[in-house]
Amino acid sequence: SQQGEEDPQALSIQEGENATMNCSYKTSINNLQWYRQNSGRGLVHLILIRSNEREKHSGRLRVTLDTSKKSSSLLITASRAADTASYFCATDKSNNAGNMLTFGGGTRLMVKP
Amino acid sequence: EPEVTQTPSHQVTQMGQEVILRCVPISNHLYFYWYRQILGQKVEFLVSFYNNEISEKSEIFDDQFSVERPDGSNFTLKIRSTKLEDSAMYFCASSNRDSSAKNIQYFGAGTRLSVL
Repeated sequence: SQQGEEDPQALSIQEGENATMNCSYKTSINNLQWYRQNSGRGLVHLILIRSNEREKHSGRLRVTLDTSKKSSSLLITASRAADTASYFCATDKSNNAGNMLTFGGGTRLMVKP
Repeated sequence: EPEVTQTPSHQVTQMGQEVILRCVPISNHLYFYWYRQILGQKVEFLVSFYNNEISEKSEIFDDQFSVERPDGSNFTLKIRSTKLEDSAMYFCASSNRDSSAKNIQYFGAGTRLSVL
């Protein structure tokens, strides 16, 4: 798989359930970020986890990072219909500003009311 | 909250024509980027720009592409002679030097380019 591959590609759940999305990558990274994209819109940054961190929380979001397996997961707890969107992981190889992000293919999440 | 703005939201052009996509990054940001997303595919990096120079560019960013910061607020992407395969959503992004947030890029809503 290429740098930053998410699975599943699509996920459909009921409101109130938890949603887990996974991301794998190939090269070493400085940090990994998760972004959200509503249909036809731009990307919105959700959370960043650095390579020396294993877990991070932000509201209903929990991100884990396993650098030995080169993988990350995004958990959305108590999902809402408004969480319906595509979610992308993006890897950053450097700690410097101005570096490119490498995006995965994304997971399309549908939360049914 | 400050945001990155892009114009137009949709651009239709004929193959072989030049297009300029415009972006206004967040005002105190110093780093600017262009990405593109072909329908149904990944978001792909095109180019980054800092201090009036290209910092990094991808293989996609060939001689047909150029970027410019013509004044203190705008950041443009020009495609000299568009091809059908240039049809995509083009996203502009910006970031700053703040040590707590310097890796985070803020994206505009995108310009959908349709080449006919």
